[in-house]
Amino acid sequence: AQSVSQHNHHVILSEAASLELGCNYSYGGTVNLFWYVQYPGQHLQLLLKYFSGDPLVKGIKGFEAEFIKSKFSFNLRKPSVQWSDTAEYFCAVKPGIYGGATNKLIFGTGTLLAVQP
Amino acid sequence: KAGVTQTPRYLIKTRGQQVTLSCSPISGHRSVSWYQQTPGQGLQFLFEYFSETQRNKGNFPGRFSGRQFSNSRSEMNVSTLELGDSALYLCASSPYTRGRDNEQFFGPGTRLTVL
Repeated sequence: AQSVSQHNHHVILSEAASLELGCNYSYGGTVNLFWYVQYPGQHLQLLLKYFSGDPLVKGIKGFEAEFIKSKFSFNLRKPSVQWSDTAEYFCAVKPGIYGGATNKLIFGTGTLLAVQP
Repeated sequence: KAGVTQTPRYLIKTRGQQVTLSCSPISGHRSVSWYQQTPGQGLQFLFEYFSETQRNKGNFPGRFSGRQFSNSRSEMNVSTLELGDSALYLCASSPYTRGRDNEQFFGPGTRLTVL
């Protein structure tokens, strides 16, 4: 079955530290990849997405992610975190051919990030 | 542009009852998906509708059902509620199912508590 793994369930960092959250998926075909963020009390918001092309994608708020096809990975990075980055981060995969006729997302279990001032 | 709205925001029911949750997508969006979010299972896909047709369904029992209306608004229904149905139910909308910029926008969710 298709699945998404997020290796870190809880991460605690100090402000200005660098962040890398791991995400691996199990699906052999073409995928669309996403990172979503859920700030306390807020909606799920899209941080960034990968559909095709340059495997290094940049998102909002200084986040970026790198798609490594050979490793089935899509890790999220930020060079210097801020207290306001405290949130839960979800990796998600949309399996299927590019432009496939479904919006079904398979989510990882999420990573709770706490940034200490 | 107004975002995805979900009603009600909070709901308390007892076991055995049924419940209907509503989702209004962003204007112009024709695709609506539903997800269940729980601490133990995370975010799980329930079903997806596009132009009033169910396009995909997750691995949930038949007690979970949904529909979409001609104005793209969607409802989901859970019959014979169980304690384990307590969760945050999220609705997401997008313009269409294909294409590069097919981002899904999530609503605030309906928090269902089953007693």
